Amino acid sequence: EAGVVQSPRYKIIEKKQPVAFWCNPISGHNTLYWYLQNLGQGPELLIRYENEEAVDDSQLPKDRFSAERLKGVDSTLKIQPAELGDSAVYLCASSPGTSGRADTQYFGPGTRLTVL
Amino acid sequence: ILNVEQSPQSLHVQEGDSTNFTCSFPSSNFYALHWYRWETAKSPEALFVMTLNGDEKKKGRISATLNTKEGYSYLYIKGSQPEDSATYLCAFIKGGSEKLVFGKGTKLTVNP
Repeated sequence: EAGVVQSPRYKIIEKKQPVAFWCNPISGHNTLYWYLQNLGQGPELLIRYENEEAVDDSQLPKDRFSAERLKGVDSTLKIQPAELGDSAVYLCASSPGTSGRADTQYFGPGTRLTVL
Repeated sequence: ILNVEQSPQSLHVQEGDSTNFTCSFPSSNFYALHWYRWETAKSPEALFVMTLNGDEKKKGRISATLNTKEGYSYLYIKGSQPEDSATYLCAFIKGGSEKLVFGKGTKLTVNP
């Protein structure tokens, strides 16, 4: 079974540029998550989707971040414009949605963003 | 603000040593605790999901215990191997929430 796929793995951009990250969850997983991991910190949830609906986006900085999950499968996270403080690892995860809050979340390898 | 604390922050052991580290979380309103292993340049890998006080789970040489009344979980690695080198993350879910709150992790280095 293929795992969660993310691309790109690494991205270097200059500040004020836009950037987008793509995630393809495990087939059949209804729930998709985007996390932000700053250096030395644990991952923090940005947004959670149940199918195509964003059910928790309370931690997403909506002035510059946006996300979509059209058709309830793959998802894109965008930053426009990027700031120096956005340098971090962006992780995508998915879960089957069968055990509710005790569901195991399966993570992709992340995208490491560097903003210069 | 939920605090999930992990200790130690980092740990160096010799191959063959057994080791353990701690995850502390709020003891009230507990729902579940997750453990993940994250090797450099790879995806975080789920180890355990624990929901019941007194739970003990095992996967090969790795095991975990859970005490929800006092708010801690221990992760044990028996006979550490270099391939166990990784950051071990715990994540807490409180009752009524859908959100995992992660600790900062314990970075384990096993020297051959």
